[in-house]
Amino acid sequence: DIQMTQSPSSLSASVGDKVTITCRASQSINSFLNWYQQKPGKAPKVLIYAASSLQSGVPSRFSGSGSETDFTLTISSLQPEDFATYYCQQSYSTPPTFGQGTKVEI
Amino acid sequence: EVQLVESGGGLVQPGGSLRLSCAASGFTFSSDVMSWVRQAPRKGLEWVSSISDSGGSTYYANSVKGRFTISRDNSKNTLYLQMNSLRAEDTAVYYCAKSGSGWYLFNFWGQGTMVTVSS
Repeated sequence: DIQMTQSPSSLSASVGDKVTITCRASQSINSFLNWYQQKPGKAPKVLIYAASSLQSGVPSRFSGSGSETDFTLTISSLQPEDFATYYCQQSYSTPPTFGQGTKVEI
Repeated sequence: EVQLVESGGGLVQPGGSLRLSCAASGFTFSSDVMSWVRQAPRKGLEWVSSISDSGGSTYYANSVKGRFTISRDNSKNTLYLQMNSLRAEDTAVYYCAKSGSGWYLFNFWGQGTMVTVSS
């Protein structure tokens, strides 16, 4: 199975900050990397797919980059509604696997 | 509007069985790969199983293989997960998810149903 490792596990930030979350795959996954946002008590929601494509309806302050094994999710200017947990996930092979999550807190 | 509504969760004893359902609407259900993803309390996301649009192909996580069965009824726009020989470690919120391009881009999720395995 492909292991996905996110860093950091949690971070504290303020409204307006630029936030960067990294995700590393245990082997090359080309660009088959997706990012999800999950708020407490809610289902996850896809933000970015194929490493850098913005899902329809997602604000442009979210962006993704990377390929092969190293990927980044960037929030250019953190908004109050962005405080949540973020997960990366590889869709390159079976089983699809998720990172352990990054909790973004005030 | 896409909607996925899970049901069937609850409290079950170890070794017991439960059948989850996911009612879909707002899209052409028979055209999309569907999946179950679970989340144990205060833990991360774990893929459980996926099924092709026709139901002819299925995949399972090693942790549930041989105990869980995914199926679908395209005439009823409903996805199922039959869970047998349940263990305490199966306790989780179970989400039904619709795939986008490719099998494993989960582009829409239901609200989840809680399964608790305990004596």
